[in-house]
Amino acid sequence: KAGVTQTPRYLIKTRGQQVTLSCSPISGHRSVSWYQQTPGQGLQFLFEYFSETQRNKGNFPGRFSGRQFSNSRSEMNVSTLELGDSALYLCASSLLLAGGDGANVLTFGAGSRLTVL
Amino acid sequence: AQSVTQLGSHVSVSEGALVLLRCNYSSSVPPYLFWYVQYPNQGLQLLLKYTSAATLVKGINGFEAEFKKSETSFHLTKPSAHMSDAAEYFCAVSENTGNQFYFGTGTSLTVIP
Repeated sequence: KAGVTQTPRYLIKTRGQQVTLSCSPISGHRSVSWYQQTPGQGLQFLFEYFSETQRNKGNFPGRFSGRQFSNSRSEMNVSTLELGDSALYLCASSLLLAGGDGANVLTFGAGSRLTVL
Repeated sequence: AQSVTQLGSHVSVSEGALVLLRCNYSSSVPPYLFWYVQYPNQGLQLLLKYTSAATLVKGINGFEAEFKKSETSFHLTKPSAHMSDAAEYFCAVSENTGNQFYFGTGTSLTVIP
């Protein structure tokens, strides 16, 4: 069973540019979440999508946006890049079970490492 | 809002020694608690999760964690460290069946041969 796939793995941009990152979840997983990981701030929640709808959003400026397609694949976009946007962007998918033990386990991709110069 | 505190950003142990990584959470409701491990240049991998079924949770690679409600703690332990355990460890909490997780800042584990 294929895991969560993120592309590209590495990318370099300059300030003011925009970037789009892609995430393909595990087959059958309909929930996709995005996190930003930096050495100083750790992992911070960006947003979560389920069935093409944004269900939760973290405390990030409007330059950060995302979407989910009907096949559950998700993209996130960062516009007008700033130096502080340099980070590892992690995507995670889950089944979002309605019952069971109630705990949804996140399965993470390897991440997209963005460097802004 | 939830928060997670991991005491000690760096922990060093000798190979074969006990591993203890600390995690405290703040939650007004019974939480779901998780430990994840991250190896260099990789995403996070689930080690174990607590969902109220049992206070002592066993995970992969010989790790286990004990939920102590009175102490709001969920410390991770392993009786004998192995060189392959060197990695970054993250404690996380979620309040309900939603997918908004709150992560601690991580603890980097070094294993000394």
